[in-house]
Amino acid sequence: GESVGLHLPTLSVQEGDNSIINCAYSNSASDYFIWYKQESGKGPQFIIDIRSNMDKRQGQRVTVLLNKTVKHLSLQIAATQPGDSAVYFCAENGGEGSNDYKLSFGAGTTVTVRA
Amino acid sequence: DTEVTQTPKHLVMGMTNKKSLKCEQHMGHRAMYWYKQKAKKPPELMFVYSYEKLSINESVPSRFSPECPNSSLLNLHLHALQPEDSALYLCASSHGTGFYEQYFGPGTRLTVT
Repeated sequence: GESVGLHLPTLSVQEGDNSIINCAYSNSASDYFIWYKQESGKGPQFIIDIRSNMDKRQGQRVTVLLNKTVKHLSLQIAATQPGDSAVYFCAENGGEGSNDYKLSFGAGTTVTVRA
Repeated sequence: DTEVTQTPKHLVMGMTNKKSLKCEQHMGHRAMYWYKQKAKKPPELMFVYSYEKLSINESVPSRFSPECPNSSLLNLHLHALQPEDSALYLCASSHGTGFYEQYFGPGTRLTVT
């Protein structure tokens, strides 16, 4: 079936380095994508979103890239800090014609920052 | 105020008990959601309320009963649960549908004994 997934379940990064977290999606009709961060014992926290009419969007220390040709989404974190250690989920809304309330989540990538 | 609050933080209940989870937001959001999350898994959608009306039920067993008393509150009533229902239950809200991010609460950690 159509779903959102992540390439790697875990990522270990040296403090200060840049992190890249990848996500592949299969629903070509998806038109809205979100990245969430979930720390241990907490609910998912919104990081950044992007609509399908864009291919890049930047926030504070984060950049989301969208490649609709290959249906790939990535989250880049600049100068990774210990507080960035968490599970990162991508999510997509299924696009026009689907039920816009529903977000489909990828499996998640656990990021561990090494001191 | 960009916060979704949930009570209780932790709940232990027996299979014959009746309990309720509560969720509240004061952001004026008109869509509210219940998700279930098992350890090391992504959140799974259970229910969606839009303008205080149930719009999506993801084939959730009837032992879970949602309620939306008003636009700021969302409850999840629990009855005759099974041990496999033990999970983190997350509430979320959003301005509306489509291109709006969902804001999540911290969750209620439920253990069914």
